[in-house]
Amino acid sequence: GNSVTQMEGPVTLSEEAFLTINCTYTATGYPSLFWYVQYPGEGLQLLLKATKADDKGSNKGFEATYRKETTSFHLEKGSVQVSDSAVYFCALSEDNAGNMLTFGGGTRLMVKP
Amino acid sequence: NAGVTQTPKFQVLKTGQSMTLQCAQDMNHEYMSWYRQDPGMGLRLIHYSVGAGITDQGEVPNGYNVSRSTTEDFPLRLLSAAPSQTSVYFCASSYATRGADTQYFGPGTRLTVL
Repeated sequence: GNSVTQMEGPVTLSEEAFLTINCTYTATGYPSLFWYVQYPGEGLQLLLKATKADDKGSNKGFEATYRKETTSFHLEKGSVQVSDSAVYFCALSEDNAGNMLTFGGGTRLMVKP
Repeated sequence: NAGVTQTPKFQVLKTGQSMTLQCAQDMNHEYMSWYRQDPGMGLRLIHYSVGAGITDQGEVPNGYNVSRSTTEDFPLRLLSAAPSQTSVYFCASSYATRGADTQYFGPGTRLTVL
């Protein structure tokens, strides 16, 4: 079956530090890959996505590249802000519409001023 | 446009009680789904629906029932609550057929079963 593995948190960084959250996946086909973010007390929001190998998703300064050879989709940001403190989820979907998501366990990011 | 709404926000049940978690969306989305979120396990799919009158099981369907009588509503029923169902429940919706579309999540219901 499908699975997604993320680095365990919490990840604690100072403001303006570089962020990497690792994500690797196992899938039988050719999935679409997603990063969702959950701010305290809220539901999940789509942060970025990529639908095929070598695609780069980007949004709000965050980036992730779909690496088929390493089955990875690592999330990066060059300079984090306190407002980026949240839980980040990597996910995949093998249906064409991006439904039926398989999620990783989530990584909590804490950014200190 | 309210998006995806869920009620209640919090609920405490005793073992064996029943209840219905409500979910509604006003975006005319065909696809709706329910997930549960447990610490360290991410979100797991319980049930989903690709349109009114059509439902199917996800990864963890045992102990839950769903129905989809309208496009807007997708309630989740617990017939006999168990402590293992203590979790945070999220409803989500999207267009069913557009490629890699965004899932819109509700704010969640935190359920505790004693």
